[in-house]
Amino acid sequence: AQTVTQSQPEMSVQEAETVTLSCTYDTSESDYYLFWYKQPPSRQMILVIRQEAYKQQNATENRFSVNFQKAAKSFSLKISDSQLGDAAMYFCARGSQGNLIFGKGTKLSVKP
Amino acid sequence: DGGITQSPKYLFRKEGQNVTLSCEQNLNHDAMYWYRQDPGQGLRLIYYSQIVNDFQKGDIAEGYSVSREKKESFPLTVTSAQKNPTAFYLCASSARDPGTNTEAFFGQGTRLTVV
Repeated sequence: AQTVTQSQPEMSVQEAETVTLSCTYDTSESDYYLFWYKQPPSRQMILVIRQEAYKQQNATENRFSVNFQKAAKSFSLKISDSQLGDAAMYFCARGSQGNLIFGKGTKLSVKP
Repeated sequence: DGGITQSPKYLFRKEGQNVTLSCEQNLNHDAMYWYRQDPGQGLRLIYYSQIVNDFQKGDIAEGYSVSREKKESFPLTVTSAQKNPTAFYLCASSARDPGTNTEAFFGQGTRLTVV
């Protein structure tokens, strides 16, 4: 089965510092999308950032950016200037053929 | 406001009973999905539908059934055959296949507890 792996069950960062969450995935397809979703305690899933596999340029959204290494099948999320509101579960996901597959998530804590 | 609505938020079921979780969207999305979330397991795909009157099994379809009679609605039935149904269930929709060009939007979830 094709998988998405998040190797860090929990991470912690000091407020205003930078943190990187790791994600690797398995696929035999050339055309797919990658996503990072945030799930706060309310459990509402919120899209953080999206990357098209055919684009070499890394996606950025304000304080959030990705490091997409297609050959290595790696898709890490960097959060700059971390804020208390960034504390949540973060899920990496890969979409293809109508199937959006998620990793097990990384719980991010932000220390004031 | 456009969005995706799941109901109820909390649901209790006795062992041996079937129960149906509702999912409605007014985003005019073609695709809809059901996921199950357990602690430490991430989201696992139960069923998905790309078009009305058609749906496919995901990774953990056993013990579940769905229907897609209308574009707006994608109810999930948890049958008595599901051995461990207590979980958090999330419904999602997207304009097209999320593997091609669009994100999935999620409902707020239904917490099902078997008593």
